[in-house]
Amino acid sequence: DTGVSQDPRHKITKRGQNVTFRCDPISEHNRLYWYRQTLGQGPEFLTYFQNEAQLEKSRLLSDRFSAERPKGSFSTLEIQRTEQGDSAMYLCASSTRGKGQGLSYEQYFGPGTRLTVT
Amino acid sequence: QKEVEQNSGPLSVPEGAIASLNCTYSDRVSQSFFWYRQYSGKSPELIMSIYSNGDKEDGRFTAQLNKASQYVSLLIRDSQPSDSATYLCAVNLGGYNKLIFGAGTRLAVHP
Repeated sequence: DTGVSQDPRHKITKRGQNVTFRCDPISEHNRLYWYRQTLGQGPEFLTYFQNEAQLEKSRLLSDRFSAERPKGSFSTLEIQRTEQGDSAMYLCASSTRGKGQGLSYEQYFGPGTRLTVT
Repeated sequence: QKEVEQNSGPLSVPEGAIASLNCTYSDRVSQSFFWYRQYSGKSPELIMSIYSNGDKEDGRFTAQLNKASQYVSLLIRDSQPSDSATYLCAVNLGGYNKLIFGAGTRLAVHP
């Protein structure tokens, strides 16, 4: 059973450039989440997919951020016109369907993509 | 008030001792609670989940949940230097699928 994979693991880009990250979830997981983590903080939720449908998007996610999961398998997160404040670890997680009303199954994280905007 | 609060630490314990990590949360509707371990420069690793009041044990780890007090804790018995990491508490506030994380407690286990 392979875990969640993310690519690239590290990305250095100049301010104003666009970047795209990819996440491949655990194969039987239909839910996929993106989080962002900065130093000394816990991960912050960005967006979540169930199959190919994007069901929730954080207010933290500005118009420069977009995520897709076109066939309900892998997902991409794109950041346009990057800013220095976008420097962070971008984490992808996946889980199976919810256990029931108000309950969540465990989410398993990939290794993350560390973005540095210079 | 933060939605999920943890003491940032560092919590320093000697090898072989019990480490006790605490977490409080703001929303009574929350029903799913998780503990993750994160080594420096790595991604979070799930170590425990708990959904019902009481204790849940898994090896050297015990999670404790008290929904009335909106409190969840993690006990690590026989602490080892390899347990030195940041421990993140995560809650599905409001019963939603997304997780809200605390800022983490840094644990240092010294020989």
